[in-house]
Amino acid sequence: DIQMTQSPSTLSASVGDRVTITCRASQSINRWLAWYQQKPGKAPKLLIYQVSTLQSGVPSRFSGSGSGTEFTLTISSLQPDDFATYYCQQYEGYWTFGQGTKVEIK
Amino acid sequence: QVQLQESGPGLVKPSQTLSLTCTVSGGSISSGDHYWSWIRQPPGKGLESIGYMLYSGTSYYNPSLKSRITISMDMSKNQFSLNLGSVTAADTAVYYCARGRGYGYGIDYWGQGTVVTVSS
Repeated sequence: DIQMTQSPSTLSASVGDRVTITCRASQSINRWLAWYQQKPGKAPKLLIYQVSTLQSGVPSRFSGSGSGTEFTLTISSLQPDDFATYYCQQYEGYWTFGQGTKVEIK
Repeated sequence: QVQLQESGPGLVKPSQTLSLTCTVSGGSISSGDHYWSWIRQPPGKGLESIGYMLYSGTSYYNPSLKSRITISMDMSKNQFSLNLGSVTAADTAVYYCARGRGYGYGIDYWGQGTVVTVSS
């Protein structure tokens, strides 16, 4: 299995901050990486696929980058609605998710 | 707008089989190259892929669960189902059905999730 490791596990930030979450794969996954946002009691929501393509309707403050084994999700200016848990997912091999990064209010 | 809805028992006894059905509306499960999938989330933990099936019949199961999983599709009812056998307390989770839009596009539609508890 391809293992996905996210960092940090928890991130404390304020509204307006620039936030970056990192996801590392145990082997190259080319561009087969997605990011999801999940709020308590809700299903995850697709934000980005193929590393950097924004899903329809997702605000442009979200962006993704990276290649090979290292990837990042950046929120350029954190908004109140963005406090949530974020997961990366690879689909190069069998689908696996990172363990999640909780973005909480500082 | 595609919608997915999970249904099935909320309580399953240890060693028995967990059976869930996902009903899809707003789109056909027999069109396109969509990945009809099951994903679970144990309480307070992260997401785990269980498996997926395509209309063509191609399926892929989580290797750690493979011996206990069956995913099937009922085109006439626009539903797909999960059977997970020999359950233990470790299978207690929120179970989501979801749609992968196509290879490389991520999981774009999710059900609301259903809580399944394994307990005697």
